[in-house]
Amino acid sequence: DAGITQSPRHKVTETGTPVTLRCHQTENHRYMYWYRQDPGHGLRLIHYSYGVKDTDKGEVSDGYSVSRSKTEDFLLTLESATSSQTSVYFCAISGEGDVAKNIQYFGAGTRLSVL
Amino acid sequence: GQNIDQPTEMTATEGAIVQINCTYQTSGFNGLFWYQQHAGEAPTFLSYNVLDGLEEKGRFSSFLSRSKGYSYLLLKELQMKDSASYLCAVMDSNYQLIWGAGTKLIIKP
Repeated sequence: DAGITQSPRHKVTETGTPVTLRCHQTENHRYMYWYRQDPGHGLRLIHYSYGVKDTDKGEVSDGYSVSRSKTEDFLLTLESATSSQTSVYFCAISGEGDVAKNIQYFGAGTRLSVL
Repeated sequence: GQNIDQPTEMTATEGAIVQINCTYQTSGFNGLFWYQQHAGEAPTFLSYNVLDGLEEKGRFSSFLSRSKGYSYLLLKELQMKDSASYLCAVMDSNYQLIWGAGTKLIIKP
């Protein structure tokens, strides 16, 4: 199994508070991703990173920011949480090479509830 | 727009064979992926197709027709542990994965 750790695994917070989710990998992979998963929807990309300090927006980036100061850590921040951000958040990583670069491996997920 | 369609739910019997279909319309194509996701767990990689044809891996096979924008995942000799959601995803021209909503497979004894 790919060495990916997400923390916290569960979080309950109040509307308007900032929240930071952490993804830590031990695989030294270049690419890291944050997704959210909601019932009736496919996984939706929030932000991704292609190297230290190199990040870009995904399909649903509004209200989220990310940072990657080290290869192994990718942080997702909800600046001011809203109830619409209640979701399960998954971090994923992928490596180098033609096929390996394209296969994404997922962390266990963080279940976030915004009340 | 980009779209991935797969059935919401399917039911099959233990020991039988089931085929889960996926159709797609995307901006470019750099491969099609199937993932398995048990309830409350992370998606796990099953298969990758980039050329037309069938890829076999044990009890699981995946087929791709790029001209038809179509793929299927074939599961043989179904086991109770195969009860899960199966996610179809296509990598577009920007190398981003576009995901279907998943097919929940229920296995009955």
